[in-house]
Amino acid sequence: DGGITQSPKYLFRKEGQNVTLSCEQNLNHDAMYWYRQDPGQGLRLIYYSQIVNDFQKGDIAEGYSVSREKKESFPLTVTSAQKNPTAFYLCASSTTGLLGPQHFGDGTRLSIL
Amino acid sequence: SQKIEQNSEALNIQEGKTATLTCNYTNYSPAYLQWYRQDPGRGPVFLLLIRENEKEKRKERLKVTFDTTLKQSLFHITASQPADSATYLCALADSSASKIIFGSGTRLSIRP
Repeated sequence: DGGITQSPKYLFRKEGQNVTLSCEQNLNHDAMYWYRQDPGQGLRLIYYSQIVNDFQKGDIAEGYSVSREKKESFPLTVTSAQKNPTAFYLCASSTTGLLGPQHFGDGTRLSIL
Repeated sequence: SQKIEQNSEALNIQEGKTATLTCNYTNYSPAYLQWYRQDPGRGPVFLLLIRENEKEKRKERLKVTFDTTLKQSLFHITASQPADSATYLCALADSSASKIIFGSGTRLSIRP
């Protein structure tokens, strides 16, 4: 079955540590996205990529970095510069950019040790 | 600033009744409005999309309306079932496709 796979499901970060969240899709979608979800708040866009080797900052890109070397993969690195990284991170993909339906993975929950 | 508001309180509905969820927005001119369902610990699942020039969209037991004058969308689930219990999110995208904003969601509980 086609879909988006995020790993790991749970991740713990120590102070001053960078961590990378994995996102892989086999839907052959050009566009991929990373969102952050905090309790009681809407999803907030961190980064998005419309095509391989290109990506744009979303609303809350500070403290995060991404790469898009392959169409299927869009990893997110949470750097030590992100002072409040505890959240539920969601990866999504679409064929039509932000205007159309997005297919989401089941998220990675990041916590600070 | 741009803002989306969904029913802040959880909605509890008797099985078989129609559930109606609200999405209001301010300081925004969306071209597309989407509704998603999210179960605990899972990613959102796309349900319906409606464009600014469409008044209503239906899919099985689901119906969405979009009133750009009132700046409001209503999401209806008819003949509700306990399996419909979840959090429902609305999302707005503008025509430039450069921005999308999500509401914080409404938690819906359908009691047998």
